[in-house]
Amino acid sequence: GAGVSQTPSNKVTEKGKYVELRCDPISGHTALYWYRQSLGQGPEFLIYFQGTGAADDSGLPNDRFFAVRPEGSVSTLKIQRTERGDSAVYLCASSPGATYEQFFGPGTRLTVL
Amino acid sequence: KNQVEQSPQSLIILEGKNCTLQCNYTVSPFSNLRWYKQDTGRGPVSLTIMTFSENTKSNGRYTATLDADTKQSSLHITASQLSDSASYICVVSLNNAGNMLTFGGGTRLMVKP
Repeated sequence: GAGVSQTPSNKVTEKGKYVELRCDPISGHTALYWYRQSLGQGPEFLIYFQGTGAADDSGLPNDRFFAVRPEGSVSTLKIQRTERGDSAVYLCASSPGATYEQFFGPGTRLTVL
Repeated sequence: KNQVEQSPQSLIILEGKNCTLQCNYTVSPFSNLRWYKQDTGRGPVSLTIMTFSENTKSNGRYTATLDADTKQSSLHITASQLSDSASYICVVSLNNAGNMLTFGGGTRLMVKP
């Protein structure tokens, strides 16, 4: 079937606005991860879901960032009061379980003006 | 602090030539080391995964080596092709759980005709 998909592919917003980034994992994958990748750097872990629950959210930089996965499939990363420093590519990955290989989506490029 | 350092940061080679990318890590404890290929605007795609007991693993023209004693890994690309142009990211896992991955900054490879 299809791989991990993310929407939108690009998002431009103004400082202070609220944004939502969506991730559709591979069907049947129970584990879902969000990463943030700044230009020229490797991805940084944000949050990990096992099913509907956030098993590890230690990578979220502050309380402006929040993610949900209400039905254990699609996940939404929510950023409140965006700042210019939030500009990055936000990657989502899924895997059949926590110890399996992760499959990455194409990412959402967020630009905060 | 657990770190993964890659060198060189960028590399330009001619089509058909070989190249070797380096990865040094201080992550401990160590479970496995992965190499990913990331095309521009795409998510990372796994090339190899090695546990601490494996010294080498190949995937087509890609061969990864691992020295767990010196905490060094390399990715050798043989007979490079234009499509090899991408970023190559070294990733070290603290354990088998996907939320404990530490990513290197990547090596940006450009293959020219």
